[in-house]
Amino acid sequence: GESVGLHLPTLSVQEGDNSIINCAYSNSASDYFIWYKQESGKGPQFIIDIRSNMDKRQGQRVTVLLNKTVKHLSLQIAATQPGDSAVYFCAHGSYQLTFGKGTKLSVIP
Amino acid sequence: GAVVSQHPSWVICKSGTSVKIECRSLDFQATTMFWYRQFPKQSLMLMATSNEGSKATYEQGVEKDKFLINHASLTLSTLTVTSAHPEDSSFYICSALGQVGAGARTDTQYFGPGTRLTVL
Repeated sequence: GESVGLHLPTLSVQEGDNSIINCAYSNSASDYFIWYKQESGKGPQFIIDIRSNMDKRQGQRVTVLLNKTVKHLSLQIAATQPGDSAVYFCAHGSYQLTFGKGTKLSVIP
Repeated sequence: GAVVSQHPSWVICKSGTSVKIECRSLDFQATTMFWYRQFPKQSLMLMATSNEGSKATYEQGVEKDKFLINHASLTLSTLTVTSAHPEDSSFYICSALGQVGAGARTDTQYFGPGTRLTVL
């Protein structure tokens, strides 16, 4: 069941601003990284991925940055919209995925 | 493309009963499916890896006799929670890996919409 006092980090941004969500990982052998978006009561939705031979990848309104030196991954969302409000998880692995703790993004209209 | 469905989307059962959750890849074949559990405000935790035609591989701490997994075809895996108790109440999510030549990326897990289990 739910642990008392456990909460997700929350990022609140104004509609139209850019959002940056960060993720740290510990396994230096990881070679595949993914960002997922999860809306309340739904399964994770693939946003963008990146392999360890790259440090940046862009999609539609989203950019993922990978810094292998410090084992850090970030997701940038341009011109954030109310529909972007959700919990965002980073995940890494090749066959099996390990999920990060998640960040709740709240967009203020 | 690459759609994964789960059934039921939610279920409420009495303590001690068993509940079966189905995970289907609708438009692609999946040799491998994964089962996750997610408690409120927490991340997804991998429970087991299910390979078609073979026994599932369970993560440490997950009771294989309690969480029975069957992957009888390339499009269907089932998770049965046996003798469910209130502490098994959770959001259960499956994902499927595409198979080579079967219409989905082989390096990407496609997730189902999840099943909310409430045990009274």
